[in-house]
Amino acid sequence: QKEVEQNSGPLSVPEGAIASLNCTYSDRGSQSFFWYRQYSGKSPELIMSIYSNGDKEDGRFTAQLNKASQYVSLLIRDSQPSDSATYLCAVNSGNQFYFGTGTSLTVIP
Amino acid sequence: GAGVSQSPSNKVTEKGKDVELRCDPISGHTALYWYRQSLGQGLEFLIYFQGNSAPDKSGLPSDRFSAERTGGSVSTLTIQRTQQEDSAVYLCASSFGLGNYGYTFGSGTRLTVV
Repeated sequence: QKEVEQNSGPLSVPEGAIASLNCTYSDRGSQSFFWYRQYSGKSPELIMSIYSNGDKEDGRFTAQLNKASQYVSLLIRDSQPSDSATYLCAVNSGNQFYFGTGTSLTVIP
Repeated sequence: GAGVSQSPSNKVTEKGKDVELRCDPISGHTALYWYRQSLGQGLEFLIYFQGNSAPDKSGLPSDRFSAERTGGSVSTLTIQRTQQEDSAVYLCASSFGLGNYGYTFGSGTRLTVV
């Protein structure tokens, strides 16, 4: 079983819609969760971190964490074409992070 | 520096040659990580360094791969006797510490073994 699992997509949403990206993880002891955005040909960029159950909002982005279900998600409100990228979920296990393979998001103008 | 700096940005090498990839982390970041990403694949952990502690080499795929970090700052990843399957983007990241801190990634080195 992979440490971190994401639906590879592609996920397509119309401009202005809400994009929902999901991630599950296997280590119940994980305490830190991150979302990275990776544009094609570029390196990953940290966009959100979450450590406690519940929601954390930052602008158009909301991260949601449910440790009991071992589930973390990222919502992007009012999606823009510039949000088109691959979104990587990262979960700590011990002293390192495990990354999912990413979900490809396309926002259609 | 302002960000994580990696060099070279691109490297084409012949099969069997050795290559060195360099990473200069953000000043003050004590943790440094190396990952590689093959085309269309996720990030594969290679090695991390934290301060003066012994590095975690558990992700290195073979004994052809080695890394060092001098003076707690710059790191060099060396691949000996390169093989075509080594072709990938090698990403370096740094953070303030282990576990709870997000990484800042460098722009990567694209390695092509021909």
